[in-house]
Amino acid sequence: GQNIDQPTEMTATEGAIVQINCTYQTSGFNGLFWYQQHAGEAPTFLSYNVLDGLEEKGRFSSFLSRSKGYSYLLLKELQMKDSASYLCAVSAGNMLTFGGGTRLMVKP
Amino acid sequence: KAGVTQTPRYLIKTRGQQVTLSCSPISGHRSVSWYQQTPGQGLQFLFEYFSETQRNKGNFPGRFSGRQFSNSRSEMNVSTLELGDSALYLCASSPNLAGGSYNEQFFGPGTRLTVL
Repeated sequence: GQNIDQPTEMTATEGAIVQINCTYQTSGFNGLFWYQQHAGEAPTFLSYNVLDGLEEKGRFSSFLSRSKGYSYLLLKELQMKDSASYLCAVSAGNMLTFGGGTRLMVKP
Repeated sequence: KAGVTQTPRYLIKTRGQQVTLSCSPISGHRSVSWYQQTPGQGLQFLFEYFSETQRNKGNFPGRFSGRQFSNSRSEMNVSTLELGDSALYLCASSPNLAGGSYNEQFFGPGTRLTVL
């Protein structure tokens, strides 16, 4: 079976740094994705990790530890437009299993 | 390249009716997946099609079905609608490159289904 956990909600201040954690227990693993979803919109791809370590992409970075079943998404220099839900998803075979999503609220 | 398109964008049905939703993947993408998204359950996998064959299926009752055509377009059908079927139905396409494990999925805007 697949089990993916992430916090339901987080709040942070504009300009700050926030880390969104994701833990997973899955029967297969091809890689881990992070998606961003604004209210009423489709999820959009942020990052992909298949090997352990940190992947950096501008203000966003994602980390993976396969042995610990753990990933995090790091958002730096937060902007108001970063207020959205962040979805962690594990790829196994040709399926993506999503966590429940973390709703991030950025305050001025 | 045009993105994933879904029709209709909004739909209102009553209990007991059936509904068909359509998805056109990005040109060249052969894998199409369907997801149901509700506030309580999050994004849940329904099924995935590749070359007109269902390859994977989630944990949904038989009232939920789908198919894929030779041009990779896909439809999903829900029969005997229940109130709990009210949700955003998202379709995602993937290039599913041979030998690759990097299967980024590109999502369409979704169909918002309301069952009254």
